[in-house]
Amino acid sequence: ETGVTQSPTHLIKTRGQQVTLRCSSQSGHNTVSWYQQALGQGPQFIFQYYREEENGRGNFPPRFSGLQFPNYSSELNVNALELDDSALYLCASSSDWLLGTDDNEQFFGPGTRLTVL
Amino acid sequence: AQRVTQPEKLLSVFKGAPVELKCNYSYSGSPELFWYVQYSRQRLQLLLRHISRESIKGFTADLNKGETSFHLKKPFAQEEDSAMYYCALSGVDSSYKLIFGSGTRLLVRP
Repeated sequence: ETGVTQSPTHLIKTRGQQVTLRCSSQSGHNTVSWYQQALGQGPQFIFQYYREEENGRGNFPPRFSGLQFPNYSSELNVNALELDDSALYLCASSSDWLLGTDDNEQFFGPGTRLTVL
Repeated sequence: AQRVTQPEKLLSVFKGAPVELKCNYSYSGSPELFWYVQYSRQRLQLLLRHISRESIKGFTADLNKGETSFHLKKPFAQEEDSAMYYCALSGVDSSYKLIFGSGTRLLVRP
């Protein structure tokens, strides 16, 4: 069984640029959630994708967008980067949100460290 | 608003001492509570959830709805318990998104 993978490991961008982060879900998982973790803070929910549709969104502006592909991998896109977007971005996959949290453990990837200068 | 509060950024104890990591939450419904742990150079992973009422690596946590708390406890800390611990809640909407606290770093000294 392959775990959640994310790419790239880290990257540096400048203000105003756009970035795409990628996540491959764990084998058998069809639900992907994205979180932003600023330095010294806990992860904050950005949005979730289930079977290629957005299924819940946190308090993030529209310049944060995502995609999920038929193989359930996912992308997080951030446009017009701001300094405050500097953070660790975590992807988590789970088997099926319809199962509820009893059987729906979220498995996290190692994260992508984004630095905006 | 739904919120998870972990009042301690750092908790330092000696090996063999009891440990209690505090977590308080605010939520109007019936949340599900979790503890996640991140060891050095490892990814975030689930430690335990309140609904399973199990003990993992000697850790237990009891949900106290009256005090809206879900403190993590271990009677005798080990050096390998040193890590970052996050309390989280779920059940706020259909996505079962997790709302995390800011985390507590546990340092177990020899």
